[in-house]
Amino acid sequence: DAMVIQNPRYQVTQFGKPVTLSCSQTLNHNVMYWYQQKSSQAPKLLFHYYDKDFNNEADTPDNFQSRRPNTSFCFLDIRSPGLGDAAMYLCATSTWTSGRGTYNEQFFGPGTRLTVL
Amino acid sequence: AQRVTQPEKLLSVFKGAPVELKCNYSYSGSPELFWYVQYSRQRLQLLLRHISRESIKGFTADLNKGETSFHLKKPFAQEEDSAMYYCALSGLGGSQGNLIFGKGTKLSVKP
Repeated sequence: DAMVIQNPRYQVTQFGKPVTLSCSQTLNHNVMYWYQQKSSQAPKLLFHYYDKDFNNEADTPDNFQSRRPNTSFCFLDIRSPGLGDAAMYLCATSTWTSGRGTYNEQFFGPGTRLTVL
Repeated sequence: AQRVTQPEKLLSVFKGAPVELKCNYSYSGSPELFWYVQYSRQRLQLLLRHISRESIKGFTADLNKGETSFHLKKPFAQEEDSAMYYCALSGLGGSQGNLIFGKGTKLSVKP
């Protein structure tokens, strides 16, 4: 089945130790998103890629970076995790057709729960 | 400012009772509204979107621009409807369909 895969499902890191979360998709979608969801809060968009074009949300901390080496993979790098970065990180994909203004369904991965010790 | 408000954190109903999950939004342009659902131990998935005007799993939602609302309704709740429901907004002119989510309402349907 075509899907969005996130690895690992659970990640434990130490305060200040860089960590990378990965997302892959078999849907061949041109847009990939990273959301942060803290307990009892709404998923919050961090950034997204439209093809190779990176789009950062204005309030995303510099501590968060992303890479998309190809259509299928997208990575979330947290350079120096703090205790406040403990959260569920959701990856999502969708298609977007420039000029048509068509918003298509976002397909979500299962998420990676990050714990910072 | 763009915002989605779901006033109820938890909604508990009995099986067969009507259910309405409230969603209000704030957006200056013409938004597109969605309901996403997350069943226990499953991923977040689209339930319905206002432009489709369809009923999914017995749920419907009507966009009321005057009241800036997009409430989700079902006349007879089933136990399998128990889940976390998120209302989300995407704005035309925004970049590539970014979603703004509400905080979610947990629906519990009791037997």
